[in-house]
Amino acid sequence: QVQLVQSGAEVRKPGASVNVSCKTSGYIFTNYYMHWVRQAPGQGLEWMGLIDPTGVTTSYAQRFQGRITMTSDTSTSTVYMEVSGLKSEDTAVYYCARFRGYFGYDYWGQGTLVTVSS
Amino acid sequence: DIQMTQSPSSLSASVGDKVTITCRASQSISSYLSWYQQKPGKAPKLLIYAASTLQSGVPSRFSGSGSGTDFTLTISSLQPEDVATYYCHQTYSTPSFTFGQGTQLEIK
Repeated sequence: QVQLVQSGAEVRKPGASVNVSCKTSGYIFTNYYMHWVRQAPGQGLEWMGLIDPTGVTTSYAQRFQGRITMTSDTSTSTVYMEVSGLKSEDTAVYYCARFRGYFGYDYWGQGTLVTVSS
Repeated sequence: DIQMTQSPSSLSASVGDKVTITCRASQSISSYLSWYQQKPGKAPKLLIYAASTLQSGVPSRFSGSGSGTDFTLTISSLQPEDVATYYCHQTYSTPSFTFGQGTQLEIK
């Protein structure tokens, strides 16, 4: 069965970086793009960006340009997202989601809570 | 960026009621619209894709309609397990795939 398993919760100080992983299984990794979505406490969903499974193509929401980097490792069927220059406003649950294009996000990771606090 | 505006932002209805949530795009997105249900502490769940196609395994009381700029999610007979927040999401405009702000649904 398809699974997206994310890395565990993280606590960082302002200005630091964090790397969140999303390990996939149960499907052909190179057949689907992966997107990242975050949700601040009590807030809605915010689209952050996407990566093709080979890692060649990435596209980031304008507000995150220069602060996030998405990478992919086809040998382990895992995608990663690094967020740098963390601020308290980056405290959120970060989700990876498998993208089926016109057909939406059919599988999601369980979410990774990143807390930014001094 | 395309803005997605949902209404209402919150809604209270009785079990068995018909519930409608609307989503308006700031410009045409054809049928590149999905609906998600999110329960507290859980990842979102896909309900509807391509504006009106029910995702496998989703109860038939959920339906979607619309194209262009105006879309609706309808629950034909509200059940207690439908208490959740619902989001629309457009995937027409790369690279900015925006979500609506969400509609919180409660039981009266």
